[in-house]
Amino acid sequence: DAGVTQSPTHLIKTRGQQVTLRCSPKSGHDTVSWYQQALGQGPQFIFQYYEEEERQRGNFPDRFSGHQFPNYSSELNVNALLLGDSALYLCASSLGPRGNEQYFGPGTRLTVT
Amino acid sequence: AQKITQTQPGMFVQEKEAVTLDCTYDTSDQSYGLFWYKQPSSGEMIFLIYQGSYDEQNATEGRYSLNFQKARKSANLVISASQLGDSAMYFCAMRERSSQGAQKLVFGQGTRLTINP
Repeated sequence: DAGVTQSPTHLIKTRGQQVTLRCSPKSGHDTVSWYQQALGQGPQFIFQYYEEEERQRGNFPDRFSGHQFPNYSSELNVNALLLGDSALYLCASSLGPRGNEQYFGPGTRLTVT
Repeated sequence: AQKITQTQPGMFVQEKEAVTLDCTYDTSDQSYGLFWYKQPSSGEMIFLIYQGSYDEQNATEGRYSLNFQKARKSANLVISASQLGDSAMYFCAMRERSSQGAQKLVFGQGTRLTINP
């Protein structure tokens, strides 16, 4: 049973650049949520995708955008990177947008220099 | 808005002892859910235990139990017979549902647990 997978594992970008992070949900799950975890903090909700639509969004600027594909996988795009975007980006999947059990992937560690 | 508070930045415990990690929450919802996750240094968030607000009994999962005190709005995690592999960050989280039918997790700041041999 495949769990949540994310790619890449690590990424180094320069200020102003754009980045795309990828997530494949756990087998059987159809909903993907993205979280940002700054160093020493708890994860912060970015947005959730279900049925290829953004269902809920946290307090993040429009530079953060996403997409969900018909196979339920998802991408997180961040434009015009800032130093403050350096963080661990976690993807979580669930069965339905109200699924109680959210399974997390290993995360993508983004460093912006 | 919902809020989770974890007041213990760090805990140090001897191997085989029991440990309690504190979590208090604030919500105006009648129906809510509380979660505990473990995050090792690798970064992955590992689901440990879930407690629904209407569950009459405290949740248990192996060595993990949740001490749910609704009137005090607390949901402490108890780990029995701690092991070296329990050393990690532990996060308490609450489910927050939107009118659009989605839900997100609101996390606390976390507690770093260190198990000493």
